[in-house]
Amino acid sequence: DVQLLESGGDLVQPGGSLRLSCVGSGFTFRSHGMYWVRQAPGKGLEWVAGISGSGYTFYADGVKGHFTISRDNSKSTLFLQMNSLRVEDTGVYYCAQENYYGSGLDHWGQGTLVTVAS
Amino acid sequence: QSALTQPASVSGSPGQSITISCTGTSSDIGGYDYVSWYQQHPGKAPQLIISEVNNRPSGVSSRFSASKFGNRASLTISGLQPEDEADYYCSSYTSRNTLHVVFGGGTKVTVL
Repeated sequence: DVQLLESGGDLVQPGGSLRLSCVGSGFTFRSHGMYWVRQAPGKGLEWVAGISGSGYTFYADGVKGHFTISRDNSKSTLFLQMNSLRVEDTGVYYCAQENYYGSGLDHWGQGTLVTVAS
Repeated sequence: QSALTQPASVSGSPGQSITISCTGTSSDIGGYDYVSWYQQHPGKAPQLIISEVNNRPSGVSSRFSASKFGNRASLTISGLQPEDEADYYCSSYTSRNTLHVVFGGGTKVTVL
């Protein structure tokens, strides 16, 4: 079975940094696009960033320049480096796997909570 | 404001059918056959229930069906069951600005 396990969420002050990780198992990690999607408390889903199996990256406008998505295929791990965090970055961050281009986000992790507050 | 527009809520009685709309533009829904739908129960991660406009992943009930016409996509739940009460999100690939994926604002389905 495909499993995605996020970690790294925490309480951080505005302007601070945080690095999220997501370990994948049960599939050939390097063959799949991977994504980060977040959900602010009581709000809807918001796509944050994505990375192809070969490392091509793309970002939502609101996080470009202060979030960086990356992956280590040798460790089946996806990362999200978050810098200059703002209160509005607060939420649950999910990692998700794309089976193939256009297939949608087939598998999701359980999420990790990021709280940005002073 | 979400890139795709969904009604905030839809309700129905057990056994009824309901339809959730999702309206976008020619840069997203109208331009790609990559529309997905997700179901999310409270406190849980979203689950893919429809991909590529109208494909149901293995294990998803046949009571869920979907379609697309122009810039508008729709999800229909037939034979509404209590366990269908959840939030539903549409999503599409997009070429608008530099976004790659956009979501709708979500629709709360209530089973009366």
